[in-house]
This record gives sequence, C-alpha cells and structure tokens, in this order.
Amino acid sequence: QVQLVESGGGVVQPGRSLSLSCAASGLSISDYIMHWVRQAPGKGLEWVAEIYPAATITTYADSVRGRFTISRDNSKNTLYLHMDSLRLEDTALYYCAKGATPGTWHDFFDYWGQGALVTVSS
Amino acid sequence: QAGLAQPPSVSRDLRQTATLTCTGNINNVGNQGAAWLQQHQGHPPKLLSFRNSVRPSGISERFSSSRSGDTASLTIVGLQPEDEADYYCSAWDTGLNVMVFGGGTKLTVL
Repeated sequence: QVQLVESGGGVVQPGRSLSLSCAASGLSISDYIMHWVRQAPGKGLEWVAEIYPAATITTYADSVRGRFTISRDNSKNTLYLHMDSLRLEDTALYYCAKGATPGTWHDFFDYWGQGALVTVSS
Repeated sequence: QAGLAQPPSVSRDLRQTATLTCTGNINNVGNQGAAWLQQHQGHPPKLLSFRNSVRPSGISERFSSSRSGDTASLTIVGLQPEDEADYYCSAWDTGLNVMVFGGGTKLTVL
C-alpha cells in the first residue's frame, strides 16, 4: 500500500536549521506535485510548500518564503524540506502530502504521511 | 493567506445527521471545488471526499458532500461515536496559487 514516511524532526533553537525527509513507498512520486503541510499544536492545517514533478517549479507560503527550501529526488522517491532561520512559530507537526493528479494540475491531496514534529525552543 | 471559513464546532446526538459547511470564493471552492478531510486526535488527516462530491473507496456511504456556489458541505448521517473528530475542507486557490484550508470544525457526538 502507499506510504509516506517523514523523518528528521526534533528540537532546535531559534535561528538554527533543520531538514526533513519524506520517503514514499508503494508508488512512484515522480509524476506528482508533492507538498508539505504543517499543523501547530492544537491548531489547524497550514500549507507550506509544493514542488512540481520535475522540480522545475516550487511555491511557498508567505510565512516560510525565503527561509524554507523544498526539494525532491525522484530516483530515491523522496521529498525534502530544508528549514533555515527557524522561529518559535514554526513549531508544528510537518506532514508530506501527495497531489492526486499526475502532472502539474493542482488538485486535492490523496495521501498523507504520519508527520514529523519540529519544536523550536530556546 | 486567507483560508476557508468553517464553524469551529458542531454538536449532534448519536444517530442524528450533521452538516458541516465550508465557505470560500470564486478562486477556490467556487472554481477548483473542495475536498474534505477527517482528523482524529493524534492521527494524520484522512481524505473523505474530493471534487465536491466524490467519495474515495473505503469511505462509508454515511458521508456525502456537495457544493453550491462558493460553499461546500459535508453531511454525515447516522452519527456514530467514531465520527467525533476534526473536519477540514481544502481547495486550491487559483488567485493566490496556494492550497487553502478551513480552520476546521470539531464535531462532537453526544
């Protein structure tokens, strides 16, 4: 079955960096737009970033643009999120999510990972 | 980036019907249509419906959804204790070029 498994979460001080990975199994992500979505403790869902299948286009939420970088390695079937200049308000559970439609059409997310917890604390 | 509007909470009795709403605009719900997600405490979101009214395989027929203009609705009939969860709507916003979510509705089954 399809699985998305995030890793790399942890506790980090404000201003520092952290990287997350999302390994896919049960399908090839190479044809799909992939996304990161986060959820602060007790809060709702917030879209963070997306990357097109061939990594030609990336888009970011205003709250993370210039600090976060999304990337992918289709040969490893893996999605990444590198986070610089972390702030207290970046504390959240970070989910990777797969776009449902092959290609570059923006659609709903059909699979979600279990999430990786990032805690920014001094 | 503005989100979709959902009531924060809804309470209904066991075996009754609950209808949850999600209001957006012409650039998101009114254009791309909405998807609905269910999230139980401590678990990731789970897709309940997409493109306004399509139910993925494995989702109970007790869940149905629709759209009228810029408002999407999720109806759950015959409420069960396991339906108690947070429900989120989502839609791609073609104006902002981002995925927007509702703030979520906490459904309580009494």
